[in-house]
Amino acid sequence: GIQVEQSPPDLILQEGANSTLRCNFSDSVNNLQWFHQNPWGQLINLFYIPSGTKQNGRLSATTVATERYSLLYISSSQTTDSGVYFCAAGGGSQGNLIFGKGTKLSVKP
Amino acid sequence: NAGVTQTPKFHILKIGQSMTLQCTQDMNHNYMYWYRQDPGMGLKLIYYSVGAGITDKGEVPNGYNVSRSTTEDFPLRLELAAPSQTSVYFCASSRGASTEAFFGQGTRLTVV
Repeated sequence: GIQVEQSPPDLILQEGANSTLRCNFSDSVNNLQWFHQNPWGQLINLFYIPSGTKQNGRLSATTVATERYSLLYISSSQTTDSGVYFCAAGGGSQGNLIFGKGTKLSVKP
Repeated sequence: NAGVTQTPKFHILKIGQSMTLQCTQDMNHNYMYWYRQDPGMGLKLIYYSVGAGITDKGEVPNGYNVSRSTTEDFPLRLELAAPSQTSVYFCASSRGASTEAFFGQGTRLTVV
């Protein structure tokens, strides 16, 4: 089955800095999503991006399906960006997502 | 617009007891899923359903059962709870197999 690897596992930033999170997947996918898990444990949908580029405010994402990776860009980071960022990929008819282990982001004031 | 709603949010269960985690969605989605998240890890699939009356096992189904009698509801049953089932459980739904999935707020379950 599909394997999903995220890097880096941990990231500490000063408020205002930019960052890039990477997600590699092992096979072709028909679904790729980025989530933010906040300190209360909620999973917040950031992007549904099986291919191409999308932007939402300070966040943007790019998926290059032919090279099997996706990138999440966070610009001008804020303390509220802290939490764990998950990449999840899907490729089968059952529709389930395979999750990476996440990138834990800490933004310091 | 509630989306995916899970109850309860927290629960403590004694070893050997049984309970049902409730999940309902109001988006008329065909696909529904149950995942569990252990500390420091991503989510793993327990069971899924592609429509009312159709369910199938995921990666970690042992100790759980599901049913899907309606499009809206997808309860997860824990039989004979064990400490290894201490986890955070997430329910999710999607319109199709390759469409965006939406998650509930999670149920934090502790088995003691």
